[in-house]
Amino acid sequence: QKEVEQNSGPLSVPEGAIASLNCTYSDRGSQSFFWYRQYSGKSPELIMFIYSNGDKEDGRFTAQLNKASQYVSLLIRDSQPSDSATYLCAVKEYGGATNKLIFGTGTLLAVQP
Amino acid sequence: IAGITQAPTSQILAAGRRMTLRCTQDMRHNAMYWYRQDLGLGLRLIHYSNTAGTTGKGEVPDGYSVSRANTDDFPLTLASAVPSQTSVYFCASSVAWDQPQHFGDGTRLSIL
Repeated sequence: QKEVEQNSGPLSVPEGAIASLNCTYSDRGSQSFFWYRQYSGKSPELIMFIYSNGDKEDGRFTAQLNKASQYVSLLIRDSQPSDSATYLCAVKEYGGATNKLIFGTGTLLAVQP
Repeated sequence: IAGITQAPTSQILAAGRRMTLRCTQDMRHNAMYWYRQDLGLGLRLIHYSNTAGTTGKGEVPDGYSVSRANTDDFPLTLASAVPSQTSVYFCASSVAWDQPQHFGDGTRLSIL
């Protein structure tokens, strides 16, 4: 069973700090990596995706991918209370005609004002 | 507003009843998906469709069926509901099978 692992948290950071969320995956053949934000009682919202090793920045968000170590991380700079949510890591599993997106169980982020 | 519409928003259903969850998207996305989300287990793929006329099984397909008669609609049917199918169900779509997926607002389903 191919897996995506995340620390469930809660990860508590003060307002204005950098929040670092981590995710490891078991399938070395994975090619695409996604971060979703999910507020309580709401649907997942795509915030970042990354395909290549290295960093990808979008506003206050930076996704980092290290395929050799099989981890992907999300950094949130200048964290705001509105960033408080569960962050889901998802990894695309490739194989024949399948296109399964495997989700971690999420990390709960709490930004303290 | 373009996006994914799921119906109903929530439903309480007696065990043994048949239920169809509706999902419609107006973005002309080729691929569509159904997930269930349970506490502690995360999102799990039930069925998917890469393009109209084709469907495939996900991680937890038993007890569920889907059809994809056209690009816009991807209904999920529970033929005979059981309490273990109590969950939040999300429909998602993407431009193509290898592109980022976008989610609908979900259907909260309780089977008694």
